[in-house]
Amino acid sequence: KAGVTQTPRYLIKTRGQQVTLSCSPISGHRSVSWYQQTPGQGLQFLFEYFSETQRNKGNFPGRFSGRQFSNSRSEMNVSTLELGDSALYLCASSLFQGAYEQYFGPGTRLTVT
Amino acid sequence: GIQVEQSPPDLILQEGANSTLRCNFSDSVNNLQWFHQNPWGQLINLFYIPSGTKQNGRLSATTVATERYSLLYISSSQTTDSGVYFCAVEVAETSGSRLTFGEGTQLTVNP
Repeated sequence: KAGVTQTPRYLIKTRGQQVTLSCSPISGHRSVSWYQQTPGQGLQFLFEYFSETQRNKGNFPGRFSGRQFSNSRSEMNVSTLELGDSALYLCASSLFQGAYEQYFGPGTRLTVT
Repeated sequence: GIQVEQSPPDLILQEGANSTLRCNFSDSVNNLQWFHQNPWGQLINLFYIPSGTKQNGRLSATTVATERYSLLYISSSQTTDSGVYFCAVEVAETSGSRLTFGEGTQLTVNP
């Protein structure tokens, strides 16, 4: 069974632009979560989607948004990019929401210049 | 929110040595996972262990949920074990769920 895939793997954007990242979960998994990893803040939860609905949201500004499609694939969007948005963005999938094992993708490394 | 503390923050070993990594958490959890982050950034699942003991080769883990800690044991360490080890926990919420990560243990295994 294929693992979680994320595209693109690397991205360079300019301050003020917007970016969309994509995540395809493991086949059959219905919950998708997004995390941001930075050297200063560590790994932080962004949001979780299940059945095309955002179920939980972390403490990030409204510039960070996401959505989930009927095939469970998910996208996250960051508008008006800031230098501090440079990070590794990780997507995780699990069978359902709640106390299920989460599996992570390889991540998208975003650099904002 | 829940607090997750990992110790030690850094650990340097000689190949062949054994080690114990600890994860303390401040509230009851219904999910606890250990991950190894490889040099390319991907989180590799080691254990899903909200309670009890599990073993996988040279690695084993124990979670004592009532005392709010988990331990990851690495025996006969190899250079390929180097990297950052994360503990992550989840508190059940009615509107969804999320993993809260510790700051990690940076393990270096020298040949």
